[in-house]
Amino acid sequence: DSGVTQTPKHLITATGQRVTLRCSPRSGDLSVYWYQQSLDQGLQFLIQYYNGEERAKGNILERFSAQQFPDLHSELNLSSLELGDSALYFCASSALGTVNNEQFFGPGTRLTVL
Amino acid sequence: QQQVKQSPQSLIVQKGGISIINCAYENTAFDYFPWYQQFPGKGPALLIAIRPDVSEKKEGRFTISFNKSAKQFSLHIMDSQPGDSATYFCAASMSSSASKIIFGSGTRLSIRP
Repeated sequence: DSGVTQTPKHLITATGQRVTLRCSPRSGDLSVYWYQQSLDQGLQFLIQYYNGEERAKGNILERFSAQQFPDLHSELNLSSLELGDSALYFCASSALGTVNNEQFFGPGTRLTVL
Repeated sequence: QQQVKQSPQSLIVQKGGISIINCAYENTAFDYFPWYQQFPGKGPALLIAIRPDVSEKKEGRFTISFNKSAKQFSLHIMDSQPGDSATYFCAASMSSSASKIIFGSGTRLSIRP
């Protein structure tokens, strides 16, 4: 158990809908990272937040957004969902603000868009 | 320039053998190279990591070999065990304030008993 929690575990929705994925980092970690893992794209870095502020952006679509709250939990919002958004979404956390240190991954949320 | 190329895509090794997974990168600004291990239904977990100022790092049965001039690094698993069967991802990142991490495509390793 990494100490990172993600909810929900599974999510099934329809195209065009909007969903919110939630992540609670390990106690004391200030950084939260979001990743998308699909069969054809592998593990893709989406976005990082550090202590409430956006720190780095990866291959995140404009339809996706994220935020980190004062209690350090984070939410990833996915809107106007398309079939291709079906994937595993992982959250990870680390103590420091850069990616050059160990990240602890949560168990993931499996999103299925029908 | 941001890609990390990983090979092979899948690998089958006999128990007790050596598993070798290779990665290559292009951007010389990368300065941190971790390997992550992922079991089915779980999130990735850091296995071992190296910085470019050393050519090799060993932790138990796992060794990273790093060739800065060739821009390549590899993971060696000695005395491979069935419990090592998992998907392995190499990655590369930069220690800049706008840092992000690039993952290889993954290698599915199966250890035959």
